[in-house]
Amino acid sequence: KAGVTQTPRYLIKTRGQQVTLSCSPISGHRSVSWYQQTPGQGLQFLFEYFSETQRNKGNFPGRFSGRQFSNSRSEMNVSTLELGDSALYLCASRELAGGHYEQYFGPGTRLTVT
Amino acid sequence: AQSVTQLDSQVPVFEEAPVELRCNYSSSVSVYLFWYVQYPNQGLQLLLKYLSGSTLVKGINGFEAEFNKSQTSFHLRKPSVHISDTAEYFCAVSDQTQGGSEKLVFGKGTKLTVNP
Repeated sequence: KAGVTQTPRYLIKTRGQQVTLSCSPISGHRSVSWYQQTPGQGLQFLFEYFSETQRNKGNFPGRFSGRQFSNSRSEMNVSTLELGDSALYLCASRELAGGHYEQYFGPGTRLTVT
Repeated sequence: AQSVTQLDSQVPVFEEAPVELRCNYSSSVSVYLFWYVQYPNQGLQLLLKYLSGSTLVKGINGFEAEFNKSQTSFHLRKPSVHISDTAEYFCAVSDQTQGGSEKLVFGKGTKLTVNP
């Protein structure tokens, strides 16, 4: 099976703009989670989607939002970008939302805000 | 809330030497624990996981970890490292909600540098 794919891999945006990142999970995986990785804060959970519904949300401002489509692909959006939003955004998928199933991570999207 | 502490931010070792990367967690309930590795400009790859059962867990690339409930630790070990093991290693604990959602809570990471 193909792994988790994320597009684009690199992105440069200007402060105040908005950005949309895309994640395609492993085929058959219905849960998609997003994480932000920065040198200062490390890896932090943004949100999890399952069957097009947000199941859990981390401690991030409302500028961060996401959605999931019927084919389990997910997008996350950041509006009114700030310099501090520069980070590696990682997407992870797992097979089911209930119980414990291993999370598989994509290569990430490197967002730079100038 | 669950938390994970990785005691060393950087660990330099020589090739073929043994290494131990330390991880402590805080949890009062059953825990699921993980070690992930991240190579430069890549995502996270699972090295090993502890869900239940034997406290000694073997993973990929010759790594193993021991779950110690009394010490609330999950240290990662490798008896002989290679240059290719140079990477950042993350310890994580699973935080599950009653609704079935699960998030990983990560430590700050340990940068392992293997020198020739």
